[in-house]
Amino acid sequence: KAGVTQTPRYLIKTRGQQVTLSCSPISGHRSVSWYQQTPGQGLQFLFEYFSETQRNKGNFPGRFSGRQFSNSRSEMNVSTLELGDSALYLCASSLYQVGDGYTFGSGTRLTVV
Amino acid sequence: QKEVEQDPGPLSVPEGAIVSLNCTYSNSAFQYFMWYRQYSRKGPELLMYTYSSGNKEDGRFTAQVDKSSKYISLFIRDSQPSDSATYLCAMTSTGFQKLVFGTGTRLLVSP
Repeated sequence: KAGVTQTPRYLIKTRGQQVTLSCSPISGHRSVSWYQQTPGQGLQFLFEYFSETQRNKGNFPGRFSGRQFSNSRSEMNVSTLELGDSALYLCASSLYQVGDGYTFGSGTRLTVV
Repeated sequence: QKEVEQDPGPLSVPEGAIVSLNCTYSNSAFQYFMWYRQYSRKGPELLMYTYSSGNKEDGRFTAQVDKSSKYISLFIRDSQPSDSATYLCAMTSTGFQKLVFGTGTRLLVSP
């Protein structure tokens, strides 16, 4: 079966711009989570959506936002990009909850210049 | 102090060796424990998932959880060059909470 699909794979943006990343979960998975991965901080939790509702949120500024659609696809948006936002953004899906086991996508590599 | 501590390595071993990877944590509420493997330019891949304490074996991989010591381990038997990757431990208190990850240990298995 198809895995978690993230688009685009690579992105270069300029400081101050905004960006939208997309994630299509495994068919039937209703929980979608987003993580930021950087060499210094590792994987850090951004937010989690279940049935179009945000269930959990990490400690990131309000410039980071997300949403989930009725088909479980999810998008995350970062406004007013900063150099420090350069990272690998990973999406993970699970059936209902983290305890079911996450499946990660390959991520979107965002570079802010 | 981070909630989850993991030695970044790199850990270099010859092919066929037994590898031991470890994490310590501070939050006694953690109940779900996972190990992920991440290859370069790829997302993490779930290897092992354990609920509460005890051991779990899957092929060449064994996961151990010692909640009394707040210590988890992943053992890889008969290591192969294809096992060369970064190994991340992750844990959470309930199924509905965020996963807290270690920073990852880079493993290099030489032929």
